Amino acid sequence: AQSVTQLDSQVPVFEEAPVELRCNYSSSVSVYLFWYVQYPNQGLQLLLKYLSGSTLVESINGFEAEFNKSQTSFHLRKPSVHISDTAEYFCAVSQYSGGGADGLTFGKGTHLIIQP
Amino acid sequence: DTGVSQDPRHKITKRGQNVTFRCDPISEHNRLYWYRQTLGQGPEFLTYFQNEAQLEKSRLLSDRFSAERPKGSFSTLEIQRTEQGDSAMYLCASSPTEATSGRYDTDTQYFGPGTRLTVL
Repeated sequence: AQSVTQLDSQVPVFEEAPVELRCNYSSSVSVYLFWYVQYPNQGLQLLLKYLSGSTLVESINGFEAEFNKSQTSFHLRKPSVHISDTAEYFCAVSQYSGGGADGLTFGKGTHLIIQP
Repeated sequence: DTGVSQDPRHKITKRGQNVTFRCDPISEHNRLYWYRQTLGQGPEFLTYFQNEAQLEKSRLLSDRFSAERPKGSFSTLEIQRTEQGDSAMYLCASSPTEATSGRYDTDTQYFGPGTRLTVL
C-alpha cells in the first residue's frame, strides 16, 4: 500500500518570492513520483516526474523537485513565482508494471495562492 | 490528436437513478484509468484497463460501480442507484505501454477534463 501526504492545504506567497510545496510518501516498494498541476477550470497536467537517475528534476516553467529517499520526500520548489502559477498542486506516486504505469495514489493537494 | 475526452462534462441526477459516463482515450494509448475527485481532495484511483482487460480495481469501486472497455478503445463507467455521496468529479486518464509515436511517455498518465456528477 502507498500513501502520499501533502501537509499544507494552502500556501500563500507574494509574487516573485520563492516557494516550497511539501510532499512525503510511504511505500513498501519502489515507486515513481509525480507532481501534477490543476489550473482553475482546467484538467490535471503533469508538471514533472522522478523515475530514476538524477534526484533533481525540473519542469519547463521553472519548478524543480528533489527526490530524497531517506526522508521519503519529493518537495516542489520554485525560486520566483508568478501570478500565473496560482493553481492546485498534487503530488502522486505509482508503481510501474507490464510496460506501463499503474494507478496513481495522490495527496490531497496544495493550493498555491500568489499575492501581488 | 485532441487528447482524452469525457462525456458528459456535467451530469445532475436524482438519488437512486443510474448514470453512465464515457471516456475516449488518446487513440494510441492502451491503458485507461478512472479516478474520482471529491471537493478539497486529491483524485482517488478507481480502476484501470489495459486494452479490454480490467487489471485492477480499488476497494472504492463498490458493487454499484461498473466499468467496461469492451473493444479496448473507449470506456464507460456506470453508477447504479446513485447516492448523494457519489457527487464528485470523475476523471479519466490514458497512457501508452509502448512509445510508438514519441509524443507520449509510457510512465505518464494524461488526464481528460472530467465529468462532474451532482446527485440531488
